[in-house]
Amino acid sequence: GENVEQHPSTLSVQEGDSAVIKCTYSDSASNYFPWYKQELGKRPQLIIDIRSNVGEKKDQRIAVTLNKTAKHFSLHITETQPEDSAVYFCAASIAGNQFYFGTGTSLTVIP
Amino acid sequence: GAGVSQTPSNKVTEKGKYVELRCDPISGHTALYWYRQSLGQGPEFLIYFQGTGAADDSGLPNDRFFAVRPEGSVSTLKIQRTERGDSAVYLCASSRGWGNEQFFGPGTRLTVL
Repeated sequence: GENVEQHPSTLSVQEGDSAVIKCTYSDSASNYFPWYKQELGKRPQLIIDIRSNVGEKKDQRIAVTLNKTAKHFSLHITETQPEDSAVYFCAASIAGNQFYFGTGTSLTVIP
Repeated sequence: GAGVSQTPSNKVTEKGKYVELRCDPISGHTALYWYRQSLGQGPEFLIYFQGTGAADDSGLPNDRFFAVRPEGSVSTLKIQRTERGDSAVYLCASSRGWGNEQFFGPGTRLTVL
């Protein structure tokens, strides 16, 4: 089955700086890659996603890049704000069937 | 409905007991997923329904776990002979189908004593 690895496990940045979280996947058949934000005690919420036919996608301060050859994808958050502090999960899916999640990155934005 | 709902929000049971966890997806969402999340971990895929049928149940850890979705809407996750290792938050999510956003429910926190 699919194996998704996520790094780093914790990340602290100063407010206004950028944050980058990286994930790798093992199954070349995976073709959908969502990113979720989970605040303490709350449910995961989708923040951005990318399909395998696209190399990059951007939504305001958030962007995701995908390298299919290397089987890795990354989340980029620019101009970080304290409310960006949360746990972020990447996931990989084959046509929306199973979703395999990374182990999460705890992001702390220091004011 | 307004969102995915799950009941109960918390369930405490004794080892060896049977439990049922319920998920009400967003109306019209054909895809429904069950996950298990342990502290400090990402959600672990259990089973995926497309309509009434289990399209993929490869994530169910063993035959003590079973899930149904008889009318293509509400789903129930059933765990027999619970073990302490089953303690986790069980999350349900629904979507319109592939490539569409999954909306997660608030989860059921299961504690097996």
